[in-house]
Amino acid sequence: ETGVTQSPTHLIKTRGQQVTLRCSSQSGHNTVSWYQQALGQGPQFIFQYYREEENGRGNFPPRFSGLQFPNYSSELNVNALELDDSALYLCASSPTGASGANVLTFGAGSRLTVL
Amino acid sequence: QQQVKQSPQSLIVQKGGISIINCAYENTAFDYFPWYQQFPGKGPALLIAIRPDVSEKKEGRFTISFNKSAKQFSLHIMDSQPGDSATYFCAARGGGSNYKLTFGKGTLLTVNP
Repeated sequence: ETGVTQSPTHLIKTRGQQVTLRCSSQSGHNTVSWYQQALGQGPQFIFQYYREEENGRGNFPPRFSGLQFPNYSSELNVNALELDDSALYLCASSPTGASGANVLTFGAGSRLTVL
Repeated sequence: QQQVKQSPQSLIVQKGGISIINCAYENTAFDYFPWYQQFPGKGPALLIAIRPDVSEKKEGRFTISFNKSAKQFSLHIMDSQPGDSATYFCAARGGGSNYKLTFGKGTLLTVNP
């Protein structure tokens, strides 16, 4: 059984650029959530995808967007990067939509630095 | 608005000692309370979890104590080991959003040998 894999592991962007982060969910999991973890903080929920549609969103602006593909993998896209977007972006998969938060499996994250 | 408050921010314990991390929540609609452990360079991993209809749950050296009336819950690590050194996060699920977890800010635990 493979876990959640994320790519890239580290990347550096400049303010105003756009970034795409990728996530492969754990085998058997059909729901993907994205979290932002700023340095020294707990993860903050960005949004969740189930059946290729966004079915929940946290307090993040529209320049944070995502996709889920038929194989349940997912992308997080961030446009017009700001310095405060520098963080560890965590992808988590779970087996169901509603109760899946009970069994979230996190990847190791993508560390984004915005200069 | 910080819905889950965690303390202390950091904790140093001697090997064999008891580590205690506390969390308080505000939203009474939360219905599931997990603890996650995160090592440097890794994502958070589920350690133990409890529902509010139970006052205590124990798994090996890890115990969650839950006080529904006080809206508080805590993690106790018995016989702490250097390998337990990590950042611990409490979290809560629900409150109208069954699909997301609300995390505390984390506690950096250091267990000295």
